[in-house]
Amino acid sequence: GEDVEQSLFLSVREGDSSVINCTYTDSSSTYLYWYKQEPGAGLQLLTYIFSNMDMKQDQRLTVLLNKKDKHLSLRIADTQTGDSAIYFCAETPGGATNKLIFGTGTLLAVQP
Amino acid sequence: DAGVIQSPRHEVTEMGQEVTLRCKPISGHNSLFWYRQTMMRGLELLIYFNNNVPIDDSGMPEDRFSAKMPNASFSTLKIQPSEPRDSAVYFCASSFAGETYEQYFGPGTRLTVT
Repeated sequence: GEDVEQSLFLSVREGDSSVINCTYTDSSSTYLYWYKQEPGAGLQLLTYIFSNMDMKQDQRLTVLLNKKDKHLSLRIADTQTGDSAIYFCAETPGGATNKLIFGTGTLLAVQP
Repeated sequence: DAGVIQSPRHEVTEMGQEVTLRCKPISGHNSLFWYRQTMMRGLELLIYFNNNVPIDDSGMPEDRFSAKMPNASFSTLKIQPSEPRDSAVYFCASSFAGETYEQYFGPGTRLTVT
């Protein structure tokens, strides 16, 4: 079935690293995504990773993919107060569809 | 590129009234998605279109909800009659159904039904 799970809340101190985790169920997913939602705004694509990769780095963001365990993580280095937001992971389910299956979202709170 | 445009940004209406939400996707995108977000249920996909054709409407809550896409640059989501439990933020997103499938979201319409 299609199910993407995330922990609901993460609190870190400014300057620390944040790691947001996600598990998914569809092993045939071709791409996995991380989106960020700031208060009162729509979801903004942060980064994505192709399923044949195990890591992707983009400035302060590092995405790790463990396809065997169906586990995806987003690491934010040197977390800033502006990183406070809800982070969603998403997968492309198998089959002839281009819809995304979103996780429940993780609220990241950055303490000054 | 103006991004995905939604209107209105806020809508307050009374129970029983008809509500129409509008969306203009990014030019050149051929897929359009309508989502609903609430605290209780999170982000739910309501319906999506490919090349103006509805592909999957299994997320539409009930017959009170309907969506149309008369052309590649415009879509509507209509609720008739509206109920208080329809209060939510409704997002429209578009994508180009090519290789990577990433979706671009509009700012959302916050609907309050009293």
